[in-house]
Amino acid sequence: IAGITQAPTSQILAAGRRMTLRCTQDMRHNAMYWYRQDLGLGLRLIHYSNTAGTTGKGEVPDGYSVSRANTDDFPLTLASAVPSQTSVYFCASSPSGYNEQFFGPGTRLTVL
Amino acid sequence: GIQVEQSPPDLILQEGANSTLRCNFSDSVNNLQWFHQNPWGQLINLFYIPSGTKQNGRLSATTVATERYSLLYISSSQTTDSGVYFCAVSGADSNYQLIWGAGTKLIIKP
Repeated sequence: IAGITQAPTSQILAAGRRMTLRCTQDMRHNAMYWYRQDLGLGLRLIHYSNTAGTTGKGEVPDGYSVSRANTDDFPLTLASAVPSQTSVYFCASSPSGYNEQFFGPGTRLTVL
Repeated sequence: GIQVEQSPPDLILQEGANSTLRCNFSDSVNNLQWFHQNPWGQLINLFYIPSGTKQNGRLSATTVATERYSLLYISSSQTTDSGVYFCAVSGADSNYQLIWGAGTKLIIKP
C-alpha cells in the first residue's frame, strides 16, 4: 500500500506558467487536503474536499484551483505561477472530516 | 479562529535526555495531532489525540481538552529524534482544516 503519492517531487517553474501538482491516495479516504509550508513555518490549508465532487476553500486559496473527479485523485493547479507561490506543497487525506489526517511526501516548488 | 501556540520554540539536548513539548490552543478542538517533521521534510504522524493519553514506545502524549493544552513527552532521546515537532488542531469552526502551531525545533546531540 503506497498511501499518498505526490508528483513531481520538485519543480522549478518560470513565473506566469501553468502547473498542476498531482496527488493520489489508495486508502479510499473521503476527505483530501492541500497545504503549503513556507520556510520555517507550519502548514496552511489551500483547498480541501470532503468527498468526491465537492471542494472548499481553505485559508490561502488565491491563485490555486482544485478538482475532485474521483475518490483517489486531488490535483492542485496554479493557473499563472508567481514567485510568492514558492513553497513546499503537501497533500493529505483522512477517512472523513475531523479524523486523523495522513500526509504525502510533499512537492517542492520554486517559481522564478 | 482557533490559535495554537507551541513551546519551547527551540530545544537542544544531549542524547539520552527526556523532554516535554507543550501545545496550547485557544478553543475546544475535535482533532489534535502531533507530527514530527524530519530533516528531509517528511511529516510523520505521531499521535491523533483530541483527548486522553497515548503511548508509543519512547513517546507519549496527553491532551487535557478542558484546559486546552497537550503535552508530548520524549524519553531517552536519540539523534534520530531531531527535527521539528508540530501540533495541529481543528475545531468546530475550522471546516476540518488543521490549524498548525509554529513548531518546536529539537536538536539531539550525540
